Amino acid sequence: AQSVTQLDSQVPVFEEAPVELRCNYSSSVSVYLFWYVQYPNQGLQLLLKYLSGSTLVKSINGFEAEFNKSQTSFHLRKPSVHISDTAEYFCAVSEGWDGGYQKVTFGTGTKLQVIP
Amino acid sequence: DGGITQSPKYLFRKEGQNVTLSCEQNLNHDAMYWYRQDPGQGLRLIYYSQIVNDFQKGDIAEGYSVSREKKESFPLTVTSAQKNPTAFYLCASSPPYDNYGYTFGSGTRLTVV
Repeated sequence: AQSVTQLDSQVPVFEEAPVELRCNYSSSVSVYLFWYVQYPNQGLQLLLKYLSGSTLVKSINGFEAEFNKSQTSFHLRKPSVHISDTAEYFCAVSEGWDGGYQKVTFGTGTKLQVIP
Repeated sequence: DGGITQSPKYLFRKEGQNVTLSCEQNLNHDAMYWYRQDPGQGLRLIYYSQIVNDFQKGDIAEGYSVSREKKESFPLTVTSAQKNPTAFYLCASSPPYDNYGYTFGSGTRLTVV
């Protein structure tokens, strides 16, 4: 069975500093990996995803994540954060499709608090 | 623009009452999902549906019911049997065999008073 671990429930960081949000997964098969972002009282939005190919994937707003198969990790990084990045970030893993259903397992989330 | 609409955004319920949360999508997605979100617990799957008139229990289905009479609609009923219904409920959808990921609605916050 697949699982996702986000060890850090909260990460405070000063504005313009770099940040890394950690994500480790467990699965017996090949996986697809996702990062979602959630702003207060809103739904989740897909930030970036790894399906295959290049292990480094990037979002349009400066985040990037690297798939590391040997360490079963998919950490999210940003070299310089902004106040607007304050949100909760969820890592998710999928083992693919079972019929028309894509089973996705979510981590418990990491709250990124950007300090002015 | 296509998307998922959840209503209402906030819902208050008295103990012992059933309530129904609405989820409508115009993305032409076949699969739809209901998740429950509690602080520190991430998202837990309640029910999912792959196609009209078919749905399956997720990890925490007890005390909930769903229907899928139309492709666009997947309402969730929180019954009086649900012991701790206060939570944030999220509806999502995905196209078949497409690894884009889920599209989520903006959620319904249910509070039992």
